Amino acid sequence: AQKITQTQPGMFVQEKEAVTLDCTYDTSDPSYGLFWYKQPSSGEMIFLIYQGSYDQQNATEGRYSLNFQKARKSANLVISASQLGDSAMYFCAMREGNPNSGYALNFGKGTSLLVTP
Amino acid sequence: DSGVTQTPKHLITATGQRVTLRCSPRSGDLSVYWYQQSLDQGLQFLIQYYNGEERAKGNILERFSAQQFPDLHSELNLSSLELGDSALYFCASSAGAGGITDTQYFGPGTRLTVL
Repeated sequence: AQKITQTQPGMFVQEKEAVTLDCTYDTSDPSYGLFWYKQPSSGEMIFLIYQGSYDQQNATEGRYSLNFQKARKSANLVISASQLGDSAMYFCAMREGNPNSGYALNFGKGTSLLVTP
Repeated sequence: DSGVTQTPKHLITATGQRVTLRCSPRSGDLSVYWYQQSLDQGLQFLIQYYNGEERAKGNILERFSAQQFPDLHSELNLSSLELGDSALYFCASSAGAGGITDTQYFGPGTRLTVL
């Protein structure tokens, strides 16, 4: 079963506007970590932001923030004041705390974001 | 720049051949992970090494093998290559053994094309 679901294959946003990229996850483990990565057209995977399941506050890193709604099992990425350089694929990923789940990151299929002038 | 290096950047080879992909983790990181990214399968975890020992195994084919050396660099060996092995192969590293807070930093990837 898919553990990470990103329902938006592609999104458009105008420069300087804010955009929300959706991510829902599926786990019965009370302990888990959620990660967002950016993959520009050049191919590298860039770590953006992390949210732990026990964190009381939503994570923020510069223009990136995570709208974490634990009961709804969602961890949406919010990018404020979009820039042309934000155009990329964005991946949501989860690691569960139970060692029986392994130590790998489970990735969603990604959302392609295009920022227009 | 994540601090993770991968060589080569591109690799073109023929079916049936064997190749080796190399990865150097960030300074101080003990874990190395290998991932395969293809259009149809997305990002798939292959294998993790922690301080020289295999820690976790994912969807790694028997034709593929990996190891982590005493200096912590890692190599992924792909043999009897098939057309379907064409993909972007990422190495990632993290400081710890893989706990939920253990952020993985990715290298630039090796793009493998099998003709």
